[in-house]
Amino acid sequence: NAGVTQTPKFRILKIGQSMTLQCTQDMNHNYMYWYRQDPGMGLKLIYYSVGAGITDKGEVPNGYNVSRSTTEDFPLRLELAAPSQTSVYFCASSYLGTDADTQYFGPGTRLTVL
Amino acid sequence: KNEVEQSPQNLTAQEGEFITINCSYSVGISALHWLQQHPGGGIVSLFMLSSGKKKHGRLIATINIQEKHSSLHITASHPRDSAVYICAVYWGNTGNQFYFGTGTSLTVIP
Repeated sequence: NAGVTQTPKFRILKIGQSMTLQCTQDMNHNYMYWYRQDPGMGLKLIYYSVGAGITDKGEVPNGYNVSRSTTEDFPLRLELAAPSQTSVYFCASSYLGTDADTQYFGPGTRLTVL
Repeated sequence: KNEVEQSPQNLTAQEGEFITINCSYSVGISALHWLQQHPGGGIVSLFMLSSGKKKHGRLIATINIQEKHSSLHITASHPRDSAVYICAVYWGNTGNQFYFGTGTSLTVIP
């Protein structure tokens, strides 16, 4: 199994550009999550999904959108990129929810908005 | 206000030492997670706890629900244990009530 894969690994965007961060898992996990990690700060949940077709907001959803059309994929869309979105983005998945299961993390995407 | 506080923020130890990292939280929780972030940035989940104690190899995690406190212990520390250790707590009954500490940076010197 490849586990959780994310693409791209690095990206530089100009202010106002848009992009999609890809996340795929091959473990047939129901739950998927997107986090961002800013320097010196804890990870923060952006969006999560409990299954195909079901998504919900986390702590910091503004400026982002998600979709979950299949069990495997959970892309994160950034519209109108802003410097405040410069961060490292991690995707994670788990079979059960956070109160019952550990999470598997992708390698991260380092995004810089200039 | 941080829902999750970790101590110490930074820790340097000699190889072979017994290490303790602490996590305190301010709300009633359903579960607590310990994660390890490698120097290259990758994150690995170590433990999920809702009560008691768990052990995996040289790592031991404990939780005291009444005192709202958890500890991560590393026995016989090794330079490969050098990483950032992150505590995260989950409360409530929806998936978005999941908060992370800022981490404890551990360096183990040979």
